[in-house]
Amino acid sequence: QKEVEQNSGPLSVPEGAIASLNCTYSDRGSQSFFWYRQYSGKSPELIMSIYSNGDKEDGRFTAQLNKASQYVSLLIRDSQPSDSATYLCAGNFGNEKLTFGTGTRLTIIP
Amino acid sequence: ETGVTQSPTHLIKTRGQQVTLRCSSQSGHNTVSWYQQALGQGPQFIFQYYREEENGRGNFPPRFSGLQFPNYSSELNVNALELDDSALYLCASSTSGGRETQYFGPGTRLLVL
Repeated sequence: QKEVEQNSGPLSVPEGAIASLNCTYSDRGSQSFFWYRQYSGKSPELIMSIYSNGDKEDGRFTAQLNKASQYVSLLIRDSQPSDSATYLCAGNFGNEKLTFGTGTRLTIIP
Repeated sequence: ETGVTQSPTHLIKTRGQQVTLRCSSQSGHNTVSWYQQALGQGPQFIFQYYREEENGRGNFPPRFSGLQFPNYSSELNVNALELDDSALYLCASSTSGGRETQYFGPGTRLLVL
C-alpha cells in the first residue's frame, strides 16, 4: 500500500487563479510533510515544510495539514507561468527517509 | 542553490558495468540520503548515511552500496548495472539523521544501455 498518494494530474490553472494541490497519506506515525517543486529535467526544490495541524503561509504559497483526515495540501495564489512544474508531496513518518508521492504536474495557462 | 553538489551530471554505461556517483553535502550537514527517481515517478529512498554509518536502507538490492567520508561527502556505488537502473539519482543533505528538511543536489542522470 502506497504511503503517500497524489493525483498525478495534469492540473491546468489559468494565470492569476489559485492552484490547489492535494496529497493523502496512510501512516499514522510521527509526521512532517514537505512540498517540493521539480522543473522538467531538474532536481526537487523545497517549497514548504509543515509539521503541525493548520495552515502555514509563505508568500503566495500556503500549506495545510490535517492529521485527523490524513491529508496535506498546497495552495498557490496568483499563479504564474513560472509555477508550471511537477509538485512532489513528501512525508517523514518518524524515520530517516522521505516517502514521496508520484507528483502532480501543474500547468499555468497564460 | 542548496549548496549540495553531485558529480557527474550525466553518465552513460552498459549493462553489467559498475558506476560510482558522488555527493558533497551542504556545509554543517552530517547526513546524506540517496534517492532514485525513474521517469514520471517520485524519488525512491535508497539509503542514508549519518555520521559515516548507514542509517537506514530502502528496498534496493545489495549491488547498491555506499559510504560516507569524514567530511560528510558520500558515494553511491552500483554494481552489475541493469537497464532498469536508468534514472535520475539524487542526493539530499540534512542534519539529525534525515528527520529535518532534506535539500537536494542537482542529480546525476544515469543511462544504462
